[in-house]
Amino acid sequence: NAGVTQTPKFQVLKTGQSMTLQCAQDMNHNSMYWYRQDPGMGLRLIYYSASEGTTDKGEVPNGYNVSRLNKREFSLRLESAAPSQTSVYFCASSNPGQGSAKNIQYFGAGTRLSVL
Amino acid sequence: KQEVTQIPAALSVPEGENLVLNCSFTDSAIYNLQWFRQDPGKGLTSLLLIQSSQREQTSGRLNASLDKSSGRSTLYIAASQPGDSATYLCAVKQGGSEKLVFGKGTKLTVNP
Repeated sequence: NAGVTQTPKFQVLKTGQSMTLQCAQDMNHNSMYWYRQDPGMGLRLIYYSASEGTTDKGEVPNGYNVSRLNKREFSLRLESAAPSQTSVYFCASSNPGQGSAKNIQYFGAGTRLSVL
Repeated sequence: KQEVTQIPAALSVPEGENLVLNCSFTDSAIYNLQWFRQDPGKGLTSLLLIQSSQREQTSGRLNASLDKSSGRSTLYIAASQPGDSATYLCAVKQGGSEKLVFGKGTKLTVNP
């Protein structure tokens, strides 16, 4: 059981280049999330998807787009990368509902992105 | 706007000590609160989740408490070990929202 899998693990981009971060979960979760983590800022929500076919903006959506391809996969795209997007990106998933076993968010290992 | 604060930002203790990590939040209308652990260069691992109707949750040497009215949660770690060294984050979920709001974490070092 792999949980939440993110690819790639590391990436270096030049300013203006585009790329897509991939995320897949095998826990049959309805909800998926993209966060960025920066020193001194903590984790901030970029976008989330409450169910297949729906996406919503989080706290810091500017410069990003997302696609909920199917129930398993949720991708994050940087159309024109900027140095301010240098960060560690985490994907997470959960199954909201009643009971403590649900609502727990499970995280991937992260993608470390540098934009030069 | 919900804000989550964790104090202290860093803590260093000798092995075997019992310790408490603190988390405070500004809006008491939360749905649940989670404590996570993050090892260097890794993702987050959920440790404990407390629903808004609960007062505490326990898992092994960990005990998390929640006082909604005062906007506080504590994570108690008994008999700390060097393997407990990590950054601990708390996060709250508002009712009617999918979003988690995170604190900036407490970096714990347990010295052998």
